[in-house]
Amino acid sequence: DIVMTQTPLSSPVTLGQPASISCRSSQSLVHSDGNTYLSWLQQRPGQPPRLLIYKISNRFSGVPDRFSGSGAGTDFTLKISRVEAEDVGVYYCMQATQFPWTFGQGTKVEIK
Amino acid sequence: QVQLVQSGAEVKKPGSSVKVSCKASGGTFSSYAISWVRQAPGQGLEWMGRIIPILGIANYAQKFQGRVTITADKSTSTAYMELSSLRSEDTAVYYCARVAPPSDYLDYWGQGTLVTVSS
Repeated sequence: DIVMTQTPLSSPVTLGQPASISCRSSQSLVHSDGNTYLSWLQQRPGQPPRLLIYKISNRFSGVPDRFSGSGAGTDFTLKISRVEAEDVGVYYCMQATQFPWTFGQGTKVEIK
Repeated sequence: QVQLVQSGAEVKKPGSSVKVSCKASGGTFSSYAISWVRQAPGQGLEWMGRIIPILGIANYAQKFQGRVTITADKSTSTAYMELSSLRSEDTAVYYCARVAPPSDYLDYWGQGTLVTVSS
């Protein structure tokens, strides 16, 4: 199985400041079709997960442009340019390149 | 808009089975796949498997192989996840999520179904 490792596991951030989450996979996420199936999800307290980013850097419909994704191969990053109160929650990276699909452990973003 | 509505909470005895439903609306059910993900209390997300309704083909995580069955009824746009031989460690919130091919991302999620396994 592909292991997804996120850092940090907790990120206290000041409102209006940037935040960055790293996700590293145990093997390349480049699929044989040339695509990289790495996505990012947000889970607010008490809610189901919500898709933010797919295929490394594509923002899903309705996602604010303060969220951005980057990376390639085995190293990926989610950035929030200016954290807002509604961004509090746990963020997960997920790979769908190879079965079984796997998630990172989650990174908790909270306000300082 | 796309909605996935799951069945209600369940309390089960160890050794029994549970079947959770996920009814889709607002999209073409057969054009997508449905995945099941679970989350134990206070823990992260765990992928269980997915089904492509138009083909009736399911893929499962090895961890659940032999215990989980994912099916879909195209006539009612409903997917099902049945987990057997339940143990206390299966206590979790179970989510269904739509898979958007060909990019295989989970774009819409159900509200979750809490399954509690307790004697």
